[in-house]
Amino acid sequence: GEDVEQSLFLSVREGDSSVINCTYTDSSSTYLYWYKQEPGAGLQLLTYIFSNMDMKQDQRLTVLLNKKDKHLSLRIADTQTGDSAIYFCAAAGEGSQGNLIFGKGTKLSVKP
Amino acid sequence: SAVISQKPSRDICQRGTSLTIQCQVDSQVTMMFWYRQQPGQSLTLIATANQGSEATYESGFVIDKFPISRPNLTFSTLTVSNMSPEDSSIYLCSADDSTNNEQFFGPGTRLTVL
Repeated sequence: GEDVEQSLFLSVREGDSSVINCTYTDSSSTYLYWYKQEPGAGLQLLTYIFSNMDMKQDQRLTVLLNKKDKHLSLRIADTQTGDSAIYFCAAAGEGSQGNLIFGKGTKLSVKP
Repeated sequence: SAVISQKPSRDICQRGTSLTIQCQVDSQVTMMFWYRQQPGQSLTLIATANQGSEATYESGFVIDKFPISRPNLTFSTLTVSNMSPEDSSIYLCSADDSTNNEQFFGPGTRLTVL
């Protein structure tokens, strides 16, 4: 079955760019998602990308997808202290809508 | 985007009791799901809540332990039955906006079983 891997921690300085990486194993994954979870809160959908796209940009967020290497990244430009949270990558296969396979999450710490 | 609320937001329960968690969506959705997030872990899908029929459970989860109701297109409940400390987790409801493939999550219910 699908396996999604992420590095567990990332620390950056305020104003720098953050890049959170994710790899997945199932090449038939159709949609790939990024969620943000702040302490004590639920999951906030940040963005998602369809597998036929290479890049998606939404304000400070840029998602890059390398389908050949099954590698997904989330870049946060001008990282702020409010961006400190856990970021989850999730993959969904075609026909398995809803059964999102999540990575373990990357804890982003932003230092002033 | 769909707005999802859950009740209760947290609870502390005694071993052997049951807790029912409610999930309300502010719009009609086709698909609703229940996930579990154990302490320090990622999310695992428990089941898909089907409107008008029995829920579809993932491997390792059974109806007797996690009965689910879905009486209409905006509401679902998950019951955690005969609880043990191992059931201490955050339980999250989600809904799929099938028109644009976005899946939204509720704020979660933090359950502690003593």
